Amino acid sequence: DGGITQSPKYLFRKEGQNVTLSCEQNLNHDAMYWYRQDPGQGLRLIYYSQIVNDFQKGDIAEGYSVSREKKESFPLTVTSAQKNPTAFYLCASSMMGAILAGGPGETQYFGPGTRLLVL
Amino acid sequence: AQKVTQAQTEISVVEKEDVTLDCVYETRDTTYYLFWYKQPPSGELVFLIRRNSFDEQNEISGRYSWNFQKSTSSFNFTITASQVVDSAVYFCALSSDRGSNYKLTFGKGTLLTVNP
Repeated sequence: DGGITQSPKYLFRKEGQNVTLSCEQNLNHDAMYWYRQDPGQGLRLIYYSQIVNDFQKGDIAEGYSVSREKKESFPLTVTSAQKNPTAFYLCASSMMGAILAGGPGETQYFGPGTRLLVL
Repeated sequence: AQKVTQAQTEISVVEKEDVTLDCVYETRDTTYYLFWYKQPPSGELVFLIRRNSFDEQNEISGRYSWNFQKSTSSFNFTITASQVVDSAVYFCALSSDRGSNYKLTFGKGTLLTVNP
C-alpha cells in the first residue's frame, strides 16, 4: 500500500534534548512538508522540501532542523532551542513542488502524525 | 497576505441533519487553489477536495457538496444527511504562488459533532 508513515506515534522529550521525528513516503512524491498543529489551531508550516538535498524554511522554522538525503525520507529534528515543542506534528507530501510544477495546485497528502510531549 | 477564516469553531447536529461548514478566504492572487481536509479523532488529515480559482462549478460527491463563490470569497462545504462517522475537525486551506513561496494556509478548523 502506498502512503506516508510517521514514527513514533508518541514521543517524549526531556529538557535540553534533541529528538527526531521520522517521515517516510512510498508515493514517489517529490515534495515533502512538516507542519505543527496546536490545540484549536490550524496547521503551520515548519519546513518544506521540493527536491532531494534542498529544503526551505516555513513560517515557524526556529528551533527545528530537517534533512532531505533521500526522496522517500524527510526527518524533522526538534532541537533544545525550541522552547515550546509540545504539539502534534504532521508530515505531508505532494507529487511535485509548486516551483517544479509551475503552480501551487498539487494536493498534499498527510501522514498519521506524531504527538510530542515534554517531560 | 493570505488568510482563511472558518468562523464556526464548533457545530453539533443530530444524525440525518444537513450541515454547512463555512470558509472565507483572502488572497490578492488571481490563480489560487482551495482545499478541504477532514481530521478524524485519529489525527490524520484526509484530503476531500481541491478547487482552482478558475472553476466556479459546484461539486457533489455522494453526501458531500461544495459551493465556491468568488464574488464572496467563499468555499462552503455541505454534508447532507449527516452520519456519526462524519464527526471530525474540518479544515479549509488556500494555496497560491505569491513570491514562489508555496504553502498551504489553513483555517483554524471547525469541529463537527454528529450525535446519534
